[in-house]
Amino acid sequence: GEDVEQSLFLSVREGDSSVINCTYTDSSSTYLYWYKQEPGAGLQLLTYIFSNMDMKQDQRLTVLLNKKDKHLSLRIADTQTGDSAIYFCADLISSGSARQLTFGSGTQLTVLP
Amino acid sequence: SQTIHQWPATLVQPVGSPLSLECTVEGTSNPNLYWYRQAAGRGLQLLFYSVGIGQISSEVPQNLSASRPQDRQFILSSKKLLLSDSGFYLCAWSERKQGEQFFGPGTRLTVL
Repeated sequence: GEDVEQSLFLSVREGDSSVINCTYTDSSSTYLYWYKQEPGAGLQLLTYIFSNMDMKQDQRLTVLLNKKDKHLSLRIADTQTGDSAIYFCADLISSGSARQLTFGSGTQLTVLP
Repeated sequence: SQTIHQWPATLVQPVGSPLSLECTVEGTSNPNLYWYRQAAGRGLQLLFYSVGIGQISSEVPQNLSASRPQDRQFILSSKKLLLSDSGFYLCAWSERKQGEQFFGPGTRLTVL
């Protein structure tokens, strides 16, 4: 089955850029997503990219997709303490009549003052 | 706009007791619905998904079950809880032809 992997931890200084990386194995993935989870809360959809795109920018967020290497990254510019959270990447697989997301294990981002 | 609700927010139950967690979605029709469990190790495990009333697909064999008695209502149940059922349970919905899923606030279940 599909496997999505992320590094578990990342620490950055406030004001620096954060880059969270993700790799996946299913070359038929059509969409890839980034979610943010704050402590004790559900997952919040941050952004997504279609598989025929290389880059998508949304304010402080930049998503880069390398389809050849099956590598996805999320860059957060000017990282703030409020960005501290767990970030999940996920890719979309169509399975029968339901579209399913396969999630990575999440990257805990800690922003240091 | 669409909203998703889960209750209760937290629950402490003894081993062997029954369980019923509820999820409801507002502002959409015919959504796909999902139950996930997030263990302390952080990863998300898909438990069940549903594409319509009474249609449930199970991803992982276990002592949990799911039901969808109404279009926008999804229930997670157990007849007898195990210690290993402890975790954070997340409900999510998606549009029928879209991929992105939107999550509820979650229920923290502790089985003692």
